[in-house]
Amino acid sequence: AQSVAQPEDQVKVAEGNPLTVKCTYSVSGNPYLFWYVQYPNRGLQFLLKYITGDNLVKGSYGFEAEFNKSQTSFHLKKPSALVSDSALYFCAVRDGGDYKLSFGAGTTVTVRA
Amino acid sequence: DAGVTQSPTHLIKTRGQQVTLRCSPISGHKSVSWYQQVLGQGPQFIFQYYEKEERGRGNFPDRFSARQFPNYSSELNVNALLLGDSALYLCASSLEGGSSSYEQYFGPGTRLTVT
Repeated sequence: AQSVAQPEDQVKVAEGNPLTVKCTYSVSGNPYLFWYVQYPNRGLQFLLKYITGDNLVKGSYGFEAEFNKSQTSFHLKKPSALVSDSALYFCAVRDGGDYKLSFGAGTTVTVRA
Repeated sequence: DAGVTQSPTHLIKTRGQQVTLRCSPISGHKSVSWYQQVLGQGPQFIFQYYEKEERGRGNFPDRFSARQFPNYSSELNVNALLLGDSALYLCASSLEGGSSSYEQYFGPGTRLTVT
């Protein structure tokens, strides 16, 4: 079985401050990890993924994520948040070789001006 | 290039009715997946199709069915609608064939309301 936990329902930061959205996962095999963002009344947009290789992955819009195998975590980060980053963020995992993609419950990010 | 398209955008149905949702993948993508997103929750996997074959199924009742056509578009059918089927239904396409490492690209969704 595979699962994802996003321990924070909401994250609030001031514009220009660092942003971190937490994600932990559970799989029986090798994890394929993804981050998506969802704006109101829109579908999900792909931000970045970790499949193998360097533990620090860089993605769209200045976001990056760090894979930590020992802590089974894949936290999303942005060094300097923008008001336009305010949205709903989802972490997702696949057990390598399985085609089912499992999502966390989501974290609402609010960046105040 | 056009992204994933879904139709209709919104739909209102009565309990017991049947509904068909449609999805067109990004050009060149041969895999289509369907998800149900209930308000306040993350998307839940329903089906994945690749080259017209079902490759995975989530924990949904047999009232849910899908198919993929030769042009790689897909339909999701839900029979005997229940109030709990009210949700945003998302379609996603990807390049994957032999690997599950490809990211999926999502359409805007179909908002289904069952009354």
